[in-house]
Amino acid sequence: EVQVVETGGGLIQPGGFLRLSCAASGFNVNNNYMTWVRQAPGKGLEWVSVIYTDGRTYYAGSVMGRFTISRDNSKNILYLQMNSLRAEDTAVYYCARDRGSSDAFGIWGQGTMVTVSS
Amino acid sequence: SYELTQPPSLSVSPGQTATITCSGDKLGHKYASWYQQKPGQSPVLVIYQDSKRPSGIPERFSGSNSGNTATLTISGTQALDEADYYCQAWDSSHVVFGGGTKLTVL
Repeated sequence: EVQVVETGGGLIQPGGFLRLSCAASGFNVNNNYMTWVRQAPGKGLEWVSVIYTDGRTYYAGSVMGRFTISRDNSKNILYLQMNSLRAEDTAVYYCARDRGSSDAFGIWGQGTMVTVSS
Repeated sequence: SYELTQPPSLSVSPGQTATITCSGDKLGHKYASWYQQKPGQSPVLVIYQDSKRPSGIPERFSGSNSGNTATLTISGTQALDEADYYCQAWDSSHVVFGGGTKLTVL
């Protein structure tokens, strides 16, 4: 079965760091565009970052310079390293895989909650 | 930065047609996708490449995209279609989501 499972969320103080993981099964993370999308409590979807099959990475302006997307092809895991966390980073973070045509995201995880608070 | 605008809410009666719009500059020149999200659940792709349905998505879901507006149409809306709906497109290698539309079926 094709699926992704996010882990690594939790409660972290402002200024702290956290690494989220997205374990993929049924496909290889390096063969698809993989993205992170977050959703603050009661708010809409906000795109965070994407990694292309060729390794290029792109970020939303709100996380540029603080977050890093990467993947471990041998472990088939996608990561999101989050540094200098702020209260406004509090959200459910979803990992998603594209359909294979690099347009829409057809496979989503259940999400992992990140709470930034002192 | 590129923006996609959706109406915050829409109410329809069961059996009626729900039409949700998504506006963006020259959106018709891009592919639009639509996601359904029910409370406490992850988003589900319901339309991709403007008008195509993934397997398992009912035929009552359809989409179109032209000019500056993409449209998601739900024909014969059912109570189980009550959810938040988000449009999405790509712009300069960035993924963009609309603000979401809360569809109420009453």
